[in-house]
Amino acid sequence: GEDVEQSLFLSVREGDSSVINCTYTDSSSTYLYWYKQEPGAGLQLLTYIFSNMDMKQDQRLTVLLNKKDKHLSLRIADTQTGDSAIYFCTGGGNKLTFGTGTQLKVEL
Amino acid sequence: EPEVTQTPSHQVTQMGQEVILRCVPISNHLYFYWYRQILGQKVEFLVSFYNNEISEKSEIFDDQFSVERPDGSNFTLKIRSTKLEDSAMYFCASSVRQGSTGELFFGEGSRLTVL
Repeated sequence: GEDVEQSLFLSVREGDSSVINCTYTDSSSTYLYWYKQEPGAGLQLLTYIFSNMDMKQDQRLTVLLNKKDKHLSLRIADTQTGDSAIYFCTGGGNKLTFGTGTQLKVEL
Repeated sequence: EPEVTQTPSHQVTQMGQEVILRCVPISNHLYFYWYRQILGQKVEFLVSFYNNEISEKSEIFDDQFSVERPDGSNFTLKIRSTKLEDSAMYFCASSVRQGSTGELFFGEGSRLTVL
């Protein structure tokens, strides 16, 4: 089955860019997603990329996909304190598989 | 904006007791899911449900677990005899299309604490 790996923590200063990386094993996904989980809340879709694209930009968010290396990244420009959350990349076939997520901490 | 709602938000139960977690998916969605997240660990897939039957389940979803869509709006997860290791946050999700071809909308979760 799908396996997703992400680093557990990332700390950045407010205003800097954040880059969250993810590697996955299952290349059958039609879409790959980034979900955000704020403290005490459920998972909310942040952005996604179609599997035959290399890059997608969505306001402050840039998703890069390297299918050959099975590597997905999420770049958040001008990171704000409200971006502090856990970020999950996910893909998979009929079911989505999540990793442990990356906890982003934004410091003033 | 339509949303997935889950009840209860937190349930505390004694080991061996039965627990039912309830979810109301978004009304025009066809696929329903349960995931769980043990504190500090991955969000794990439990089961997916479509057309009134289980379409896929994980190894975690053993005979102690069952799902049901009793009345066309609710989607329930039952744990027959809870164990300490069932303590987790349980997330319900629904989607219009299946799996990675469609966005999953998640509820805010039900925290289960087994004592």
